[in-house]
Amino acid sequence: GNSVTQMEGPVTLSEEAFLTINCTYTATGYPSLFWYVQYPGEGLQLLLKATKADDKGSNKGFEATYRKETTSFHLEKGSVQVSDSAVYFCALSDRGGANSKLTFGKGITLSVRP
Amino acid sequence: NAGVMQNPRHLVRRRGQEARLRCSPMKGHSHVYWYRQLPEEGLKFMVYLQKENIIDESGMPKERFSAEFPKEGPSILRIQQVVRGDSAAYFCASSPPSNSGNTIYFGEGSWLTVV
Repeated sequence: GNSVTQMEGPVTLSEEAFLTINCTYTATGYPSLFWYVQYPGEGLQLLLKATKADDKGSNKGFEATYRKETTSFHLEKGSVQVSDSAVYFCALSDRGGANSKLTFGKGITLSVRP
Repeated sequence: NAGVMQNPRHLVRRRGQEARLRCSPMKGHSHVYWYRQLPEEGLKFMVYLQKENIIDESGMPKERFSAEFPKEGPSILRIQQVVRGDSAAYFCASSPPSNSGNTIYFGEGSWLTVV
């Protein structure tokens, strides 16, 4: 079956530090890959996505590249801000068909200090 | 265009009571998904519904849990005889009929606390 593995957290960084959050996956076929962000007390928001190999998703300074050879979708940001403090979830969805059921990783909490 | 609307946002129930969570999908979306987030864990898929049909309920507990998405009105996730282990955040998501991008949109969640 499908699975998503995220690095263990939590992660604490100083403002303007470089961020990498690792994500690897196991799936049959060619899944779409996503990063979702959850701010305290709120629901999930789509941060970025990639639908095929070598695609790069980007949004709000965050980037992730779909690497089929390493089955990875690591999230990066060059300079984090305090407002980036949140929980980040990596997820995948089987491609094809209308069922977009997502398989999530456990999430990782990022705290950014001023 | 309003997003996915869930209510109530917070619900407290005593053990043995029933909990009903409602979800109105985004306008034009006919597919609804329910996910559960237990403390310190990621989201787990529960059920996928289209209007008047349950398409995939592989993540639903075998007992006490049910879901519906009637022709008119919101989708309902119903938990009978709640227990402390049902305390969690329940998220609804929706997608349009033709979802080639596989993107689904989440509501803000309903936090259930069983006391």
